[in-house]
Amino acid sequence: QSVLTQPPSVSGAPGQRVIISCTGSSSNVGAGYDVHWYQQLPGTVPKVLIYGNTNRPSGVPDRFSGSKSGTSASLVITGLQAEDEADYYCQSYDSSLSGVLFGGGTKLTVL
Amino acid sequence: EVQLVESGGGLVNPAGSLRLSCAASGFTFSSYTMNWVRQAPGKGLEWVSSISSASSYIYYADSVKGRFTISRDNAKNSLYLQMNSLRAEDTGVYYCARDFAVAGPWGQGTLVTVSS
Repeated sequence: QSVLTQPPSVSGAPGQRVIISCTGSSSNVGAGYDVHWYQQLPGTVPKVLIYGNTNRPSGVPDRFSGSKSGTSASLVITGLQAEDEADYYCQSYDSSLSGVLFGGGTKLTVL
Repeated sequence: EVQLVESGGGLVNPAGSLRLSCAASGFTFSSYTMNWVRQAPGKGLEWVSSISSASSYIYYADSVKGRFTISRDNAKNSLYLQMNSLRAEDTGVYYCARDFAVAGPWGQGTLVTVSS
């Protein structure tokens, strides 16, 4: 069971805004470790969407944004498009485990 | 172009061994922490191991500790994962990834299947 908790699924209509949460604890997100977000389209390699909590790699649309507060982080997708349908994962470091953690993943369905 | 290319996957019997390689190009390999991440069929991402730039710091997930060994050769721009005592639950696609803090990249992955 992941120590970073994500909702198993979220959905939204085209053009809408969706938020994917990533809830951690005082030994990972709450300890100040960065959160990164990945998008995995069906059958493809995970792609970095957000790194260092809020930073977008070049080429990632500004419809995607990240934030972090306390022991949680969020990925916000605005102007939802059909091609956004994918699995999304958050990632951080955990000091008590001395290792990297991934959230369990969230499947985004565009209605 | 920054690129990572994994190799070495395949079908192996339970309790067998396999060595994965990851060839890096397009960046100064010796400056970055490198990682292995795996994904079982139909499942989520699971971190496997990390190694610092000069191999001074090495970390493993509990699920592979004592069975897997990560290493690197900075002269050859290569990352390795020696996997011993393989189990069915080690089946999946194994990705190498550059330092997570700098937004990757990740390789295309190599499939490891542990089955008799």
